[in-house]
Amino acid sequence: RKEVEQDPGPFNVPEGATVAFNCTYSNSASQSFFWYRQDCRKEPKLLMSVYSSGNEDGRFTAQLNRASQYISLLIRDSKLSDSATYLCVVRLTSGTYKYIFGTGTRLKVLA
Amino acid sequence: EADIYQTPRYLVIGTGKKITLECSQTMGHDKMYWYQQDPGMELHLIHYSYGVNSTEKGDLSSESTVSRIRTEHFPLTLESARPSHTSQYLCASSESGGVDPYGYTFGSGTRLTVV
Repeated sequence: RKEVEQDPGPFNVPEGATVAFNCTYSNSASQSFFWYRQDCRKEPKLLMSVYSSGNEDGRFTAQLNRASQYISLLIRDSKLSDSATYLCVVRLTSGTYKYIFGTGTRLKVLA
Repeated sequence: EADIYQTPRYLVIGTGKKITLECSQTMGHDKMYWYQQDPGMELHLIHYSYGVNSTEKGDLSSESTVSRIRTEHFPLTLESARPSHTSQYLCASSESGGVDPYGYTFGSGTRLTVV
């Protein structure tokens, strides 16, 4: 079983739709969680950190469910420019600074 | 504005050549990483460093080597390039400390083609 698992998609959604991605992680002692966005042939860029209480940044909402060991990303009012691959990233237990990347979920927002 | 720089951006080189991919960061981060990513595929950690004179192999076996003589510099070297080394190589760095809201910062990558 992979340490971080994501549905690879693609998720094809119309403009204006709401879309949600989940990501599961296997190590219950994982400490830090992030969503990254990667455009085609570009480097990943931090979209948002995920906090225990959940957090929102404009149209993007991230949630952490420690009991079920998953994080989620919700995108409201999808824009064409949201089309990208969204990577779930988990930092393992304290004392190690290795980050585990999921394979990514590809989103295509259609006009 | 990039605070982590990779050069060259693109490199096409013949089989058997020795190459060094450069990575420098100006953020004073102790931790630096090299990832390999094929098009449309996941990132694989090949090397990481927790500070000067500290280097470790990552999860994916790689024929490359790295060095960390200065905090800001983390070059990756291939002694003899082969077509199987064709890939994108991404360098990243992260802050020290237990509180870590910022994750990684990535460089723009080096796209290597070995012919």
